[in-house]
Amino acid sequence: GAVVSQHPSWVICKSGTSVKIECRSLDFQATTMFWYRQFPKQSLMLMATSNEGSKATYEQGVEKDKFLINHASLTLSTLTVTSAHPEDSSFYICSAHGQGRQPQHFGDGTRLSIL
Amino acid sequence: ILNVEQSPQSLHVQEGDSTNFTCSFPSSNFYALHWYRWETAKSPEALFVMTLNGDEKKKGRISATLNTKEGYSYLYIKGSQPEDSATYLCAFLPGNQFYFGTGTSLTVIP
Repeated sequence: GAVVSQHPSWVICKSGTSVKIECRSLDFQATTMFWYRQFPKQSLMLMATSNEGSKATYEQGVEKDKFLINHASLTLSTLTVTSAHPEDSSFYICSAHGQGRQPQHFGDGTRLSIL
Repeated sequence: ILNVEQSPQSLHVQEGDSTNFTCSFPSSNFYALHWYRWETAKSPEALFVMTLNGDEKKKGRISATLNTKEGYSYLYIKGSQPEDSATYLCAFLPGNQFYFGTGTSLTVIP
Protein backbone atom coordinates (compact mmCIF):
# COMPACT_ATOMS: atom_id res chain seq x y z
CA GLY A 1 0.00 0.00 0.00
CA ALA A 2 0.88 3.66 -0.21
CA VAL A 3 3.43 4.90 2.30
CA VAL A 4 3.55 8.26 4.00
CA SER A 5 6.55 9.07 6.14
CA GLN A 6 6.30 11.67 8.89
CA HIS A 7 9.29 12.96 10.84
CA PRO A 8 10.15 13.43 13.57
CA SER A 9 7.96 11.04 15.51
CA TRP A 10 8.62 12.74 18.86
CA VAL A 11 9.91 16.18 19.75
CA ILE A 12 10.57 17.72 23.14
CA CYS A 13 11.73 21.32 23.15
CA LYS A 14 11.75 24.53 25.13
CA SER A 15 9.06 27.16 24.90
CA GLY A 16 9.77 29.68 22.14
CA THR A 17 11.40 27.16 19.83
CA SER A 18 10.12 26.66 16.29
CA VAL A 19 9.58 23.06 15.25
CA LYS A 20 9.36 21.71 11.71
CA ILE A 21 7.51 18.48 10.91
CA GLU A 22 7.93 16.81 7.53
CA CYS A 23 5.41 14.68 5.70
CA ARG A 24 6.53 12.74 2.63
CA SER A 25 4.59 10.50 0.30
CA LEU A 26 7.13 7.86 -0.66
CA ASP A 27 5.51 6.00 -3.52
CA PHE A 28 2.85 8.25 -5.00
CA GLN A 29 2.28 11.88 -5.90
CA ALA A 30 0.14 13.67 -3.36
CA THR A 31 -1.98 16.37 -4.91
CA THR A 32 -3.25 17.31 -1.49
CA MET A 33 -1.83 16.92 1.99
CA PHE A 34 -3.75 17.39 5.19
CA TRP A 35 -2.53 18.33 8.64
CA TYR A 36 -4.45 17.21 11.70
CA ARG A 37 -4.13 17.68 15.41
CA GLN A 38 -5.42 15.22 17.96
CA PHE A 39 -6.36 16.36 21.45
CA PRO A 40 -6.45 13.77 24.25
CA LYS A 41 -9.36 11.36 23.94
CA GLN A 42 -10.67 13.16 20.87
CA SER A 43 -10.75 12.43 17.18
CA LEU A 44 -8.74 14.12 14.45
CA MET A 45 -9.12 17.86 14.09
CA LEU A 46 -8.30 19.14 10.62
CA MET A 47 -5.95 22.09 10.82
CA ALA A 48 -5.26 22.83 7.19
CA THR A 49 -5.30 21.50 3.66
CA SER A 50 -2.38 22.10 1.35
CA ASN A 51 -2.15 21.70 -2.38
CA GLU A 52 1.19 21.50 -4.14
CA GLY A 53 2.39 24.89 -5.24
CA SER A 54 -0.33 26.93 -3.60
CA LYS A 55 -1.08 28.43 -0.21
CA ALA A 56 -2.61 26.21 2.43
CA THR A 57 -6.25 26.56 3.39
CA TYR A 58 -6.61 26.82 7.15
CA GLU A 59 -9.62 25.75 9.17
CA GLN A 60 -11.42 28.30 11.27
CA GLY A 61 -9.60 29.02 14.49
CA VAL A 62 -6.19 27.83 13.29
CA GLU A 63 -3.59 30.60 13.22
CA LYS A 64 -1.78 30.54 9.91
CA ASP A 65 1.10 32.61 11.26
CA LYS A 66 1.52 30.11 14.07
CA PHE A 67 1.30 26.97 11.97
CA LEU A 68 3.20 27.55 8.74
CA ILE A 69 2.54 25.01 6.03
CA ASN A 70 4.59 24.58 2.90
CA HIS A 71 3.77 22.11 0.13
CA ALA A 72 6.70 22.63 -2.20
CA SER A 73 6.44 19.41 -4.19
CA LEU A 74 4.05 16.56 -4.89
CA THR A 75 5.83 14.43 -2.30
CA LEU A 76 6.64 16.80 0.54
CA SER A 77 4.71 19.06 2.88
CA THR A 78 6.03 20.65 6.04
CA LEU A 79 4.33 22.07 9.10
CA THR A 80 6.31 24.54 11.18
CA VAL A 81 5.02 25.38 14.63
CA THR A 82 6.51 28.82 15.23
CA SER A 83 7.51 30.01 18.68
CA ALA A 84 5.90 26.97 20.25
CA HIS A 85 4.36 27.20 23.71
CA PRO A 86 3.12 24.50 26.09
CA GLU A 87 -0.43 24.83 24.78
CA ASP A 88 0.87 23.71 21.38
CA SER A 89 1.83 20.35 22.86
CA SER A 90 -0.19 17.76 21.01
CA PHE A 91 -0.16 14.92 18.53
CA TYR A 92 0.12 16.14 14.94
CA ILE A 93 -0.59 13.83 12.04
CA CYS A 94 -0.39 14.37 8.31
CA SER A 95 -2.02 12.57 5.44
CA ALA A 96 -1.56 12.55 1.70
CA HIS A 97 -4.17 12.19 -0.99
CA GLY A 98 -3.59 11.36 -4.63
CA GLN A 99 -6.76 12.13 -6.50
CA GLY A 100 -10.44 11.47 -6.82
CA ARG A 101 -11.99 8.79 -4.65
CA GLN A 102 -8.67 7.46 -3.37
CA PRO A 103 -8.35 7.30 0.42
CA GLN A 104 -6.04 9.43 2.47
CA HIS A 105 -2.78 7.79 3.53
CA PHE A 106 -1.64 8.84 6.97
CA GLY A 107 1.77 9.35 8.49
CA ASP A 108 2.56 7.88 11.89
CA GLY A 109 2.20 11.22 13.63
CA THR A 110 4.46 13.50 15.65
CA ARG A 111 4.18 13.83 19.40
CA LEU A 112 5.16 17.42 20.25
CA SER A 113 5.93 18.31 23.86
CA ILE A 114 6.80 21.90 24.71
CA LEU A 115 8.38 22.48 28.12
CA ILE B 1 -21.26 22.73 8.02
CA LEU B 2 -21.69 19.22 6.72
CA ASN B 3 -22.59 16.65 9.40
CA VAL B 4 -21.20 13.12 9.47
CA GLU B 5 -22.29 11.08 12.46
CA GLN B 6 -21.07 7.78 13.73
CA SER B 7 -22.81 5.61 16.26
CA PRO B 8 -22.30 4.29 18.77
CA GLN B 9 -19.45 6.43 20.08
CA SER B 10 -17.94 3.43 21.83
CA LEU B 11 -18.63 -0.25 22.03
CA HIS B 12 -17.38 -3.15 24.16
CA VAL B 13 -17.96 -6.68 22.89
CA GLN B 14 -16.82 -10.12 23.93
CA GLU B 15 -14.37 -12.00 21.78
CA GLY B 16 -16.28 -14.03 19.22
CA ASP B 17 -19.29 -11.72 19.10
CA SER B 18 -20.30 -10.07 15.87
CA THR B 19 -20.94 -6.35 15.87
CA ASN B 20 -21.80 -3.46 13.61
CA PHE B 21 -21.84 0.31 13.66
CA THR B 22 -23.16 3.13 11.56
CA CYS B 23 -21.95 6.13 9.63
CA SER B 24 -24.63 8.66 8.63
CA PHE B 25 -24.03 11.35 6.04
CA PRO B 26 -26.01 13.73 3.81
CA SER B 27 -27.88 11.93 1.06
CA SER B 28 -27.09 14.58 -1.56
CA ASN B 29 -23.90 15.23 -3.53
CA PHE B 30 -22.43 11.81 -2.82
CA TYR B 31 -18.99 11.14 -4.33
CA ALA B 32 -17.46 8.49 -2.08
CA LEU B 33 -17.36 7.12 1.44
CA HIS B 34 -14.27 5.78 3.18
CA TRP B 35 -13.84 3.59 6.24
CA TYR B 36 -10.59 3.75 8.19
CA ARG B 37 -9.29 1.72 11.12
CA TRP B 38 -7.20 3.57 13.68
CA GLU B 39 -5.37 1.40 16.16
CA THR B 40 -3.82 2.86 19.28
CA ALA B 41 -0.29 4.18 18.70
CA LYS B 42 -0.66 3.77 14.95
CA SER B 43 -1.94 5.94 12.14
CA PRO B 44 -5.36 5.52 10.51
CA GLU B 45 -5.42 2.95 7.74
CA ALA B 46 -7.96 2.84 4.92
CA LEU B 47 -10.27 -0.18 5.00
CA PHE B 48 -12.79 0.47 2.26
CA VAL B 49 -13.54 2.96 -0.49
CA MET B 50 -17.23 2.84 -1.34
CA THR B 51 -18.60 4.59 -4.36
CA LEU B 52 -21.92 3.16 -5.53
CA ASN B 53 -25.30 2.81 -3.85
CA GLY B 54 -25.68 -0.79 -2.77
CA ASP B 55 -21.91 -1.39 -2.63
CA GLU B 56 -20.79 -4.20 -0.36
CA LYS B 57 -17.09 -4.55 0.39
CA LYS B 58 -15.39 -7.28 2.39
CA LYS B 59 -11.94 -7.79 3.86
CA GLY B 60 -11.64 -10.92 5.93
CA ARG B 61 -14.12 -10.73 8.80
CA ILE B 62 -14.92 -7.08 8.16
CA SER B 63 -17.48 -5.92 5.65
CA ALA B 64 -19.30 -2.71 4.81
CA THR B 65 -22.47 -1.73 3.04
CA LEU B 66 -23.56 1.56 1.52
CA ASN B 67 -26.93 3.25 1.05
CA THR B 68 -26.44 6.63 -0.61
CA LYS B 69 -30.15 7.34 -1.01
CA GLU B 70 -30.79 7.29 2.72
CA GLY B 71 -27.30 8.41 3.69
CA TYR B 72 -25.78 5.63 5.75
CA SER B 73 -23.09 2.98 5.71
CA TYR B 74 -22.73 0.03 8.05
CA LEU B 75 -19.49 -1.63 9.08
CA TYR B 76 -19.80 -5.22 10.25
CA ILE B 77 -17.24 -7.31 12.11
CA LYS B 78 -17.92 -11.02 12.31
CA GLY B 79 -16.47 -13.01 15.22
CA SER B 80 -14.65 -10.07 16.83
CA GLN B 81 -11.07 -10.63 17.96
CA PRO B 82 -8.98 -8.57 20.40
CA GLU B 83 -6.88 -7.33 17.48
CA ASP B 84 -10.02 -5.69 16.06
CA SER B 85 -9.93 -3.22 18.95
CA ALA B 86 -9.52 0.20 17.36
CA THR B 87 -11.36 3.36 16.46
CA TYR B 88 -13.24 3.07 13.19
CA LEU B 89 -13.60 6.32 11.26
CA CYS B 90 -15.76 7.05 8.27
CA ALA B 91 -15.18 9.91 5.86
CA PHE B 92 -17.80 11.33 3.52
CA LEU B 93 -16.67 12.90 0.26
CA PRO B 94 -19.17 15.15 -1.54
CA GLY B 95 -16.35 16.04 -3.91
CA ASN B 96 -12.70 16.68 -3.25
CA GLN B 97 -13.21 17.45 0.44
CA PHE B 98 -13.21 14.94 3.28
CA TYR B 99 -15.64 15.11 6.18
CA PHE B 100 -14.74 12.70 8.97
CA GLY B 101 -17.06 11.36 11.62
CA THR B 102 -15.84 11.29 15.22
CA GLY B 103 -15.39 7.55 15.12
CA THR B 104 -16.61 4.45 16.91
CA SER B 105 -14.19 3.10 19.51
CA LEU B 106 -14.37 -0.69 19.61
CA THR B 107 -12.94 -2.74 22.46
CA VAL B 108 -12.99 -6.51 22.14
CA ILE B 109 -12.73 -8.22 25.50
CA PRO B 110 -10.84 -11.53 25.48
